[in-house]
Formats: sequence, C-alpha cells, structure tokens
Amino acid sequence: EDKVVQSPLSLVVHEGDTVTLNCSYEVTNFRSLLWYKQEKKAPTFLFMLTSSGIEKKSGRLSSILDKKELSSILNITATQTGDSAIYLCAVGTNAGGTSYGKLTFGQGTILTVHP
Amino acid sequence: SQTIHQWPATLVQPVGSPLSLECTVEGTSNPNLYWYRQAAGRGLQLLFYSVGIGQISSEVPQNLSASRPQDRQFILSSKKLLLSDSGFYLCACHPSRANTGELFFGEGSRLTVL
Repeated sequence: EDKVVQSPLSLVVHEGDTVTLNCSYEVTNFRSLLWYKQEKKAPTFLFMLTSSGIEKKSGRLSSILDKKELSSILNITATQTGDSAIYLCAVGTNAGGTSYGKLTFGQGTILTVHP
Repeated sequence: SQTIHQWPATLVQPVGSPLSLECTVEGTSNPNLYWYRQAAGRGLQLLFYSVGIGQISSEVPQNLSASRPQDRQFILSSKKLLLSDSGFYLCACHPSRANTGELFFGEGSRLTVL
C-alpha cells in the first residue's frame, strides 16, 4: 500500500521565521511528488517534482525532491500571516494512463504564522 | 483553464437519509474526475475516480457510490448516511490532455451527519 507521511503535523511560528516542512513516501512506481496549499476550501497547487536534486522556487517558497531518501522538503522563508494554511504533500505513481490525478496524500502540516 | 463547481457547499443530514453531491467541470472535455474526502482538516483520501461517462472505479469500500452521467458531471451519492460519512468532500479534475499529475480542485462540500 502506498504511503505518504508528513512532519511536523502542526507548526506555530512568528512572522519572519523560516520553516521547513517534510514529506516522505513509500510507493510503488513513483512518478511525481506534489505540494498543495489549502487555506479554507480548495487546495491550490504549489509545485510538482519529478527529478531528484532540482529545486523549484516560487517567491519565498521552494521545494526539492530526494529520490534516494524518498523524501521532499518545502521551505518557506520570511513567513507571513498569509502563509497560514494546511500544506499537503501528495505522490503520483505510474499505474497506467488512468493514474494521473490518483494521488496519495499525506496527513498535511498545519502551519500557523502569528504576527 | 478549467473551473470546478461543487454543490451544495454545506449540508447537514440525519443518519439514514440519502445524499447527493454534485460536481461539474467547465473549460475542458473528457477529464479524469475524482472524489476525495478530507476528515478533520487533514489529508485527502481518494474515494472514486472516473475516466469517462459511466466508468467508475472505487478505491475504498464504503457506504457511498459515484456516477458520471455526463462527460463533465460527477455525482457522489448514498442511500443511507452513516455518522462516519461526515467530512469535507472535494471533487477534482485532471484534464485528459495534460501530461502532468497536477489536480484541480473544487471548493468542496462540507457534510455533517447527525
């Protein structure tokens, strides 16, 4: 059974702090790892990682995949209150053409940023 | 780009009552469609997915069923709700021509079974 584990489960920081969120996985036929941010309702896409060691960056957020360690990290620098959300990690596998979108999600990390 | 509509947004139902949640997609044709459930603001669990009209695959045994009567319509149903069916239900879409794994989500339907 495919498994995705995120840590920590929750995190409370102050504005300006830097945070690192972790995601590890045990899956068959890994294809991609995705990060989503969920503030209230619909999760919104942040990054998709397929190659090990290549950092993806968007503003203050960055992420990297380590296929040897079967893990990924999401970094947020200079956090703001607007970064408060649930951060979800998901893994997609190569299980045939219908597998796109059949993602296995971790439990999520609840990030709270205080002013 | 695609837009996913879900309704109702919020629903409170008694145990044993029926359920129907609807999801429609705009801006793409022949998408793969998914129903996920999120319990207590945590991770998402895949319930059903569909690659075409009338084609439904169930990921976990449960009290729910899904149907896809039209290309861009996906319905989640139950004949008799259980307390354990409470949760946040998200419909998701993967455009059929996309070669990435990115999913697009609707705004969700929050179900409380009393």
